[in-house]
Amino acid sequence: GQNIDQPTEMTATEGAIVQINCTYQTSGFNGLFWYQQHAGEAPTFLSYNVLDGLEEKGRFSSFLSRSKGYSYLLLKELQMKDSASYLCAVRDEGKLIFGQGTTLQVKP
Amino acid sequence: GAGVSQSPSNKVTEKGKDVELRCDPISGHTALYWYRQSLGQGLEFLIYFQGNSAPDKSGLPSDRFSAERTGGSVSTLTIQRTQQEDSAVYLCASSLGTSGGDTQYFGPGTRLTVL
Repeated sequence: GQNIDQPTEMTATEGAIVQINCTYQTSGFNGLFWYQQHAGEAPTFLSYNVLDGLEEKGRFSSFLSRSKGYSYLLLKELQMKDSASYLCAVRDEGKLIFGQGTTLQVKP
Repeated sequence: GAGVSQSPSNKVTEKGKDVELRCDPISGHTALYWYRQSLGQGLEFLIYFQGNSAPDKSGLPSDRFSAERTGGSVSTLTIQRTQQEDSAVYLCASSLGTSGGDTQYFGPGTRLTVL
């Protein structure tokens, strides 16, 4: 079967660091994506990992361990505009299999 | 350049009616995907098209759902005899190809409400 788990909600303080975890069990694996989705808007691409290790992109980093079926998204120097849902998705052949998403609230 | 566009942005229909949702992918993208997002739920894969290959329909929830892609560009998702549980945001995405790293870019979605 296909199963992707993320925490439902997280809260963090402006300027802090937050880590959003994602665990997966899927029949296929062609890479793992993180998307950001603000309320009422389309998901926008954040990061892609296919090999084990850390990918850094500005304030955002994403980590993958294929043997553990585990990824995390790290957000540094949090800003109020980072309040959004963060979606973990595994690529299985062409399609993306999404988790339920993690709603992050950044407080002043 | 232009992103993925979808129409209509909102659609309200009565139970039992048929609806058509349209997606215009990014120019040059060979792969096109349909997902839906119910309230408070994650994105659910429906169907994808890649070039001239047969579409992957494995996510369509019932035979009331169908999709076509004409001329390798525009796609239409049709829902026949709509039910209240079909109410959701229907999102279309496109990508250059279906290789692992080919990013899927999403359109703004069509919010479907079935009364």
